[in-house]
Amino acid sequence: GAVVSQHPSWVICKSGTSVKIECRSLDFQATTMFWYRQFPKQSLMLMATSNEGSKATYEQGVEKDKFLINHASLTLSTLTVTSAHPEDSSFYICSARITSGEQTQYFGPGTRLLVL
Amino acid sequence: RKEVEQDPGPFNVPEGATVAFNCTYSNSASQSFFWYRQDCRKEPKLLMSVYSSGNEDGRFTAQLNRASQYISLLIRDSKLSDSATYLCTSMNSGGYQKVTFGIGTKLQVIP
Repeated sequence: GAVVSQHPSWVICKSGTSVKIECRSLDFQATTMFWYRQFPKQSLMLMATSNEGSKATYEQGVEKDKFLINHASLTLSTLTVTSAHPEDSSFYICSARITSGEQTQYFGPGTRLLVL
Repeated sequence: RKEVEQDPGPFNVPEGATVAFNCTYSNSASQSFFWYRQDCRKEPKLLMSVYSSGNEDGRFTAQLNRASQYISLLIRDSKLSDSATYLCTSMNSGGYQKVTFGIGTKLQVIP
């Protein structure tokens, strides 16, 4: 149980394109989903916390107008990188938590974004 | 100072060896701690939680020292398949339970 999927797994796009990444909890309902970014040889950096039906909470330094997060249902959260630039190229990983009391996060397989 | 600090390694150990990693955290309000394993170009996978009383799962033992604010992971009888990056994480207390990851310690088990 507790499987999280992400789609797409790979994206290569031109600079200026907007890219949408989906994160789904397949066999459980996730009240909270998290979006992380990981650059090569660096740790996972939390970008934002997303609660179903409410606005996402962004970490300091993350532009909310550039990284649009929508958590419309208990099984789906989306991250849209608007007007992507080469410096946005990274490994984007989502995770989901079942309930607010549950401390374990279940990670999706990640999405590799390459902006040319 | 980073909130969670780890030695990035790499730690190169022979098969069968015992290896230990430490991780320090700066936020004394941190409530929960975890070790994750991340293989190259993959997502992190939960290895084990770390509690004040310690936690053992087969060849893996995790310990928490709140007084010194560090967490440790001990791997006994290392296998080639243990080669990966081990991420230490802390979660703060309160309503906004943010998880902070360390940079990870790379382990390479050599035949």
